[in-house]
Amino acid sequence: SQELEQSPQSLIVQEGKNLTINCTSSKTLYGLYWYKQKYGEGLIFLMMLQKGGEEKSHEKITAKLDEKKQQSSLHITASQPSHAGIYLCGADDWDRGGGADGLTFGKGTHLIIQP
Amino acid sequence: DAGVTQSPTHLIKTRGQQVTLRCSPKSGHDTVSWYQQALGQGPQFIFQYYEEEERQRGNFPDRFSGHQFPNYSSELNVNALLLGDSALYLCASSFGQAWDTQYFGPGTRLTVL
Repeated sequence: SQELEQSPQSLIVQEGKNLTINCTSSKTLYGLYWYKQKYGEGLIFLMMLQKGGEEKSHEKITAKLDEKKQQSSLHITASQPSHAGIYLCGADDWDRGGGADGLTFGKGTHLIIQP
Repeated sequence: DAGVTQSPTHLIKTRGQQVTLRCSPKSGHDTVSWYQQALGQGPQFIFQYYEEEERQRGNFPDRFSGHQFPNYSSELNVNALLLGDSALYLCASSFGQAWDTQYFGPGTRLTVL
């Protein structure tokens, strides 16, 4: 089955600084999703990437999918306290019955913003 | 629109007991997926329901079962609870398999003693 590895596991960044979170797959990514989760709460959808080389932005968050479609990065510019939380990457698992049912997730990156 | 709602928010059970968790999908959504998230881990896919049938299932034992009702709401049942079943159980709804419109509920925190 597909495995997603996220790095770093945790990150402490001073407010206003930029940061990058990485997500690496053991297999080709057919759909890569980024979510944000506040501790003990549900997931909030951020972005979806499908095509090699694709890049999407929302406010100060930019996500990219590499050309080989096995690695994605999430970049936050000028971080703010509201960016704190757990960032999770998820992917369609085509091994499961040949269909894209359910998502496989990485373990998450804990982001702390220091004032 | 209330979004995805789950009940209860917290639950404490003892080993061997049975538990039922409930989920109401976002208005207009017909597909419900359930995930288990252990502390410090990413969510793991349990199963998905569409048209009142289990469409796909992750690597979970038969102790985990579910149901979807005609109004698209869903239940997750876990029998013979183990300590390892302690986790945050997340429900997500979508229209078909459109994952970019998948909305997650706040989750039910299950503690097994």
